[in-house]
Amino acid sequence: DGGITQSPKYLFRKEGQNVTLSCEQNLNHDAMYWYRQDPGQGLRLIYYSQIVNDFQKGDIAEGYSVSREKKESFPLTVTSAQKNPTAFYLCASSIGGQTMNTEAFFGQGTRLTVV
Amino acid sequence: SQQGEEDPQALSIQEGENATMNCSYKTSINNLQWYRQNSGRGLVHLILIRSNEREKHSGRLRVTLDTSKKSSSLLITASRAADTASYFCATASRGGSEKLVFGKGTKLTVNP
Repeated sequence: DGGITQSPKYLFRKEGQNVTLSCEQNLNHDAMYWYRQDPGQGLRLIYYSQIVNDFQKGDIAEGYSVSREKKESFPLTVTSAQKNPTAFYLCASSIGGQTMNTEAFFGQGTRLTVV
Repeated sequence: SQQGEEDPQALSIQEGENATMNCSYKTSINNLQWYRQNSGRGLVHLILIRSNEREKHSGRLRVTLDTSKKSSSLLITASRAADTASYFCATASRGGSEKLVFGKGTKLTVNP
């Protein structure tokens, strides 16, 4: 059963805490992406990775960190420096980067709430 | 920055009618893609159109691309209540960037 899995589905964070969102794919995709979705603002790119051990900042990387130690995994850490972390977070993967004209496959998302 | 901008922001139609959504973008692109999102869920890929293509079809979906106007349209024919969702366009810019940048989406409601 191939696909991209995000966990947990719901996550609650206290002020000042770091939290890590998991994203795993078994599609053998090289590229992976993290997006943040707020109501009325569509999807904004946080980080993306084209290959293992390499990643680039997207448009709103401040307060977030990622790692890409394995091809299958691209975890996102929301740090205490992110002042407004409450949002819906989406992970995606694709066979290659967009110069290869490839579609992205999305996970079901993690809804993070600061309490 | 958001490359694509969908229009309208919201669209409400009756079952059986056609729904048309538009997307405008700013820079030269490798491809433009349309995605669908049911409320609170992940996005599902619908169709990809390359910069050298003008029109593509997939079932009840028809996508056009006009690179001279930097715009695309998604037409859903004979809509069904199950088509109710948000629809997003996403662009991959020409020039080596591997990013896929999304617009804000069109919220489509199909009334039975």
